[in-house]
Amino acid sequence: QQQVKQSPQSLIVQKGGISIINCAYENTAFDYFPWYQQFPGKGPALLIAIRPDVSEKKEGRFTISFNKSAKQFSLHIMDSQPGDSATYFCAALFSGGYNKLIFGAGTRLAVHP
Amino acid sequence: NAGVTQTPKFRVLKTGQSMTLLCAQDMNHEYMYWYRQDPGMGLRLIHYSVGEGTTAKGEVPDGYNVSRLKKQNFLLGLESAAPSQTSVYFCASSYPGGARAFFGQGTRLTVV
Repeated sequence: QQQVKQSPQSLIVQKGGISIINCAYENTAFDYFPWYQQFPGKGPALLIAIRPDVSEKKEGRFTISFNKSAKQFSLHIMDSQPGDSATYFCAALFSGGYNKLIFGAGTRLAVHP
Repeated sequence: NAGVTQTPKFRVLKTGQSMTLLCAQDMNHEYMYWYRQDPGMGLRLIHYSVGEGTTAKGEVPDGYNVSRLKKQNFLLGLESAAPSQTSVYFCASSYPGGARAFFGQGTRLTVV
């Protein structure tokens, strides 16, 4: 049973469009929600992260929206570019005590020129 | 600036063979993790460690063992490899309480 559910599994967007990836979680003990980006043949790398006391965080073209009551969060990529083509993982972290970083199943994004 | 280094990068095993994957980090991180990545399953936590000499089970620990004898190293062992353990294995490290985990390049393991 996945603790963090991610959708869609794959996404195709035209250059300049908006890419939206959604995640949902069950355990309210999670207290930090990062997004990771992975290019083929590489390990994942942190893209952006948000704490549950904030509803939105923006870094450049990347924005996380967080809905604590619905236990959902999403990644928006504005003005999507071919270089954004990668696999994106949402994750959730228990930062107190044992530090467990739990990932969603991933979304493969393809941005077509 | 090496970061997280995994050894080996590729390996083919026969069913029943054993092997050890080595992860080394040079960032003085307390926490280290082993994940496996399978298509459609994302990254699943196998085992993790919150400090030298400690280990804990993750989501899918069966068939694996780990050791953290030195702070900078985290070893993942397969005692009797099975085809279901064919996967890409990633090691990661982080500071306590941090969402930024630094990943290695991965080890592609095939069990035939």
